[in-house]
Amino acid sequence: DAGITQSPRYKITETGRQVTLMCHQTWSHSYMFWYRQDLGHGLRLIYYSAAADITDKGEVPDGYVVSRSKTENFPLTLESATRSQTSVYFCASSEVKAGGTYEQYFGPGTRLTVT
Amino acid sequence: AQSVAQPEDQVNVAEGNPLTVKCTYSVSGNPYLFWYVQYPNRGLQFLLKYITGDNLVKGSYGFEAEFNKSQTSFHLKKPSALVSDSALYFCAVRDTGFQKLVFGTGTRLLVSP
Repeated sequence: DAGITQSPRYKITETGRQVTLMCHQTWSHSYMFWYRQDLGHGLRLIYYSAAADITDKGEVPDGYVVSRSKTENFPLTLESATRSQTSVYFCASSEVKAGGTYEQYFGPGTRLTVT
Repeated sequence: AQSVAQPEDQVNVAEGNPLTVKCTYSVSGNPYLFWYVQYPNRGLQFLLKYITGDNLVKGSYGFEAEFNKSQTSFHLKKPSALVSDSALYFCAVRDTGFQKLVFGTGTRLLVSP
């Protein structure tokens, strides 16, 4: 029962390079999310997806691109990495249930350093 | 817009003592509130939620939270703290009409032996 996994767990890249963070979930949840965690800011939503081929911007989408061709995968791409994108990135998923519960389930995170 | 505030960056408590981690909210409509915990180098884990019903919500690991509509608060509590409860705690609220959650900035709980 893998749940939700992220890869890589740690990544160091240089300014200007493209980097893709992977997220995979085994629950077939409809919703998936990408957050970044920075000291003093808590978690901020980058992008989310309500289903395959449906994505939308969150609070801090600039510099990021997402796609969702399959329900279980939700990759996040930094097209041209900047030092300000050094952060810990979390993927999460959730499903709407009867009664409207909305808890999200998180992956272990990817620590990205941009030099 | 929906929002939550966690007024304390850190809470210190001795093992065996009761603990409270504070959260206040600002919403339009009925609040859907959550608590998550994050252990070092781990993702967030769901602790409990308030959707409707009883104001005292029980969750995982012996934690509970008290919903107070008049004070717009949703404080996390535990009767007797453990050293292993030391972690980062996040309060969250569901965004209006969406599946999205809005998180607070987090409170670090440090339980000393």
